Parts: sequence; structure tokens; C-alpha cells
Amino acid sequence: EPEVTQTPSHQVTQMGQEVILRCVPISNHLYFYWYRQILGQKVEFLVSFYNNEISEKSEIFDDQFSVERPDGSNFTLKIRSTKLEDSAMYFCASSEEVNTEAFFGQGTRLTVV
Amino acid sequence: EDQVTQSPEALRLQEGESSSLNCSYTVSGLRGLFWYRQDPGKGPEFLFTLYSAGEEKEKERLKATLTKKESFLHITAPKPEDSATYLCAVRVDKIIFGKGTRLHILP
Repeated sequence: EPEVTQTPSHQVTQMGQEVILRCVPISNHLYFYWYRQILGQKVEFLVSFYNNEISEKSEIFDDQFSVERPDGSNFTLKIRSTKLEDSAMYFCASSEEVNTEAFFGQGTRLTVV
Repeated sequence: EDQVTQSPEALRLQEGESSSLNCSYTVSGLRGLFWYRQDPGKGPEFLFTLYSAGEEKEKERLKATLTKKESFLHITAPKPEDSATYLCAVRVDKIIFGKGTRLHILP
């Protein structure tokens, strides 16, 4: 069964460093998303991406964040100058159409120290 | 402001004891309602999509229903392996999640 894959599963970084989280969405899906979940809190929308551009973003997704689809299979989230409060699980998701269900990866646990 | 509220926050049931989880929403322009299951440390696992009031979907011991203001996830004769957090999400211009219901099924 097709699935969304994310790497790495766990990333530890020092405050102020840049990190890149990687995702391979399901191959025939056209819409891609990043979400985050701070421990014990709800899943929060960050950004959606379609046709090589951002279609929606939340107020969390400020200039510290960027997304890219560098080739036909990967979708990345870059976080510049990480802060302690960026520590969270980051989930990538993809959907076939804009209104259909999104399928999630298993997440990258980001720990900023 | 678009809001999704799930209740109860936590629920403990005996194995075989049926119950329902609630998801109420106030959004402008609902484009779909989704139920997910999330196990600790894992990503949300898709269960159901509902698009219009009156719609129902069923899978094994789970059944999801939708009205104009809320959705219910009915669990019939649950087993310990059904223990998880159940998340409701609505799509407006983006997908908004509720905080979830932590379900614990005791053997």
C-alpha cells in the first residue's frame, strides 16, 4: 500500500542551526502538506503546496520556514535558525485532490537543544 | 473563527462496551470532515471522510456519521487494540484538527 515516508525519524539540533526535514509523498498525489504537533497538543497546520507553489499557510509559517519540491519525488521543510519552541513532531501529508483525505507520514521528531 | 471541538477528552471503556465520540464544528464552508486514529509517537492514520449531512461510513467496529453541526464516531464492541487517540479534522481552506479523544479499552 502506498505511503508517505519521512526522514529522519528523529533529529536533534542546536538552537540557531538550520534543519531540513524530508518527505516522499504518495506518487500520484498532487497536494502536499506540513503539520506539526507539539507534545501533548493538537496537530497544527503549517502549509499546503500545490503545483510548485504554496497554496495556503498558517500564521505559524513565518519567514523562518520554507518548503521546496526539489525534484519529482521529494518535498522538504526547511527551518532556519531553530528555536527551543520549534521542538515538535513534524508530519508530512499528501492528498490526491484538494478536498480529499490527506495521508500522513510517521513524522520527524525534532528536538532543539 | 473556525473551530473543531472533540468530546470527551478521554474515555475508558471495558472491552465490548460500545460508545460514541463527538466532534462538533463551527466553520464557514465545510469541504469535508475526516476521522483519524493516532497511536503514541505515530502519524495520524486515516479512517473516514464525510462530505454531507446524513452521510455514514463504516469499517469494522467503527461507524462515522455527520450532521450539519457535528460528527460522531461510534465504536461497537471495542477491543483493547482499538485504544488510541481519535482525531477529527475539517477542511475549510486548510485542514483544522480537534484536540482528539484518548480512548482506552480495558481487557
